[in-house]
Amino acid sequence: GAGVSQSPRYKVAKRGQDVALRCDPISGHVSLFWYQQALGQGPEFLTYFQNEAQLDKSGLPSDRFFAERPEGSVSTLKIQRTQQEDSAVYLCASSPHSRTGKVADTQYFGPGTRLTVL
Amino acid sequence: GESVGLHLPTLSVQEGDNSIINCAYSNSASDYFIWYKQESGKGPQFIIDIRSNMDKRQGQRVTVLLNKTVKHLSLQIAATQPGDSAVYFCAERRGNNRLAFGKGNQVVVIP
Repeated sequence: GAGVSQSPRYKVAKRGQDVALRCDPISGHVSLFWYQQALGQGPEFLTYFQNEAQLDKSGLPSDRFFAERPEGSVSTLKIQRTQQEDSAVYLCASSPHSRTGKVADTQYFGPGTRLTVL
Repeated sequence: GESVGLHLPTLSVQEGDNSIINCAYSNSASDYFIWYKQESGKGPQFIIDIRSNMDKRQGQRVTVLLNKTVKHLSLQIAATQPGDSAVYFCAERRGNNRLAFGKGNQVVVIP
């Protein structure tokens, strides 16, 4: 079946521009996560949704970062007034509920959006 | 602070040999760990996971070992193939199901 998809795959922005990154999770997956991955580093948690509710946004680095998932499926990560330090790969992951109804453990990742801020 | 890290930055292995990748974690309360493989230009791909109530789990050509006493994880890849060349991350589950990743370990398979 289809995995997690993200668009665009590559984005170049001039410093100060706003960008919007889209994530389409696996159909039916309840949980959705955004991570930021700097070059040569492991992914760092940004934010977490369960359905449309944003349950944890403690990893967002500043108030320029905003994420939403209004209908509990597609999510958008928006970065306002981009800075050079925002250059990174932005990864989206989703996971289903387990048979017990709890959030499943495994997170399935999309290919990421590589953001370059000039 | 709490962290998940890897001992070796790069591992070169001959095709057909076994590979072992190590990972140390610091949060003794962690109950779930995952190994991911990441190829260039792609997102992390799930390989295998293990819960803290287990010390070993096997998959297809891969085995994960968990030593809670010394807070150490390892991933063993049997009969390493060229397609195994990638960066491997261990990840530890924290609150709200967030994953905390280490820096990664590059595996290079020599044909």
